[in-house]
Amino acid sequence: GAVVSQHPSWVICKSGTSVKIECRSLDFQATTMFWYRQFPKQSLMLMATSNEGSKATYEQGVEKDKFLINHASLTLSTLTVTSAHPEDSSFYICSARDSHLPNTEAFFGQGTRLTVV
Amino acid sequence: AQSVSQHNHHVILSEAASLELGCNYSYGGTVNLFWYVQYPGQHLQLLLKYFSGDPLVKGIKGFEAEFIKSKFSFNLRKPSVQWSDTAEYFCAVTPGYSSASKIIFGSGTRLSIRP
Repeated sequence: GAVVSQHPSWVICKSGTSVKIECRSLDFQATTMFWYRQFPKQSLMLMATSNEGSKATYEQGVEKDKFLINHASLTLSTLTVTSAHPEDSSFYICSARDSHLPNTEAFFGQGTRLTVV
Repeated sequence: AQSVSQHNHHVILSEAASLELGCNYSYGGTVNLFWYVQYPGQHLQLLLKYFSGDPLVKGIKGFEAEFIKSKFSFNLRKPSVQWSDTAEYFCAVTPGYSSASKIIFGSGTRLSIRP
């Protein structure tokens, strides 16, 4: 089946630094990718919709200047957590669907565990 | 706004018991419906999906779900659970058919199976 790969799987960074997380669709093209945040023992909260070649669409309450999203190609979206704080520590997950097959499920990356110290 | 409700936060069953997890959504138009499972320490996996056609959908590992449009429900069922079914289960809804349609998740149901 289709594969979505996230990198890194985990990262530890110091407060005030920025961290970039990559999300790649390995065997399909995705004009749209989605970024989620999952707190321990909770559901996935949609943060933003990443659109290839245009600005991302952020959900209410998500700071676009803090969570920078770039979707430079049909197979790659990046999420950059800027000026990270300990409260940004979380599990970040991306997903994508094949743009050529609208009636398909979304595939999820393995997630990135971010710890800000 | 669209939303997905999973009424059972934590379900505890013994092996071989039957399972039903509730899922209701609020959206008046066309929807695609999904159940995902997240085993401890692993990423989300698709259990089953509904796009159209037969409202009774069969998925992997013996799971099935029934779409009842009049009740805006998509409950997950399994006649006999196993210890290996211990996991977090998420119901999800996508309004519309576009690949750009965002996926909205329910709050999840933690299933614990006693051996």
